[in-house]
Amino acid sequence: GNSVTQMEGPVTLSEEAFLTINCTYTATGYPSLFWYVQYPGEGLQLLLKATKADDKGSNKGFEATYRKETTSFHLEKGSVQVSDSAVYFCALSHNNNAGNMLTFGGGTRLMVKP
Amino acid sequence: DAGITQSPRHKVTETGTPVTLRCHQTENHRYMYWYRQDPGHGLRLIHYSYGVKDTDKGEVSDGYSVSRSKTEDFLLTLESATSSQTSVYFCAISELSREQYFGPGTRLTVT
Repeated sequence: GNSVTQMEGPVTLSEEAFLTINCTYTATGYPSLFWYVQYPGEGLQLLLKATKADDKGSNKGFEATYRKETTSFHLEKGSVQVSDSAVYFCALSHNNNAGNMLTFGGGTRLMVKP
Repeated sequence: DAGITQSPRHKVTETGTPVTLRCHQTENHRYMYWYRQDPGHGLRLIHYSYGVKDTDKGEVSDGYSVSRSKTEDFLLTLESATSSQTSVYFCAISELSREQYFGPGTRLTVT
């Protein structure tokens, strides 16, 4: 079956540090890959996505590249801000009669200190 | 932001009581989903709907039932709440081949 593994947190960084959150997946076929972000007390928001191999998703300074050869979709940002403190979820999807079924990783909490 | 609301936002109930959570959308999306979020597990799918009166089970459906009598509403019912169902519940909507949009969540505590 499908599964997503992401690095355990919390990840604690100082402001302006470089961020990497690792995500690897197991799936049949060619899933789409997503990063969602959850700010405290809120629901999940789509951060970025990639739908095929070698695609790069980007948004708000975050990037992730769909690497089929390593089955990975690592999230990166060159300079984090305090406002980036949140929980980040990697997810994959496949289409069936349920629309876009998502399988989530366990989430990684990021804490950015001033 | 996608028009998704959940009610109630917070609920405390006793073991053995029935509980119904409501998800309401104004986007006219076909697909709706219920997830639960627990520490270390990410989000796990409980039930989903692919149209009015069309529903199916997800990964963790035991102890839950759902109903969808109209496009905009998707109800999640715990027939007899247990402490293991203490969690944060999220509703999501989507159209085929598009990303899911999530509601703000309902925090349920079963004492």
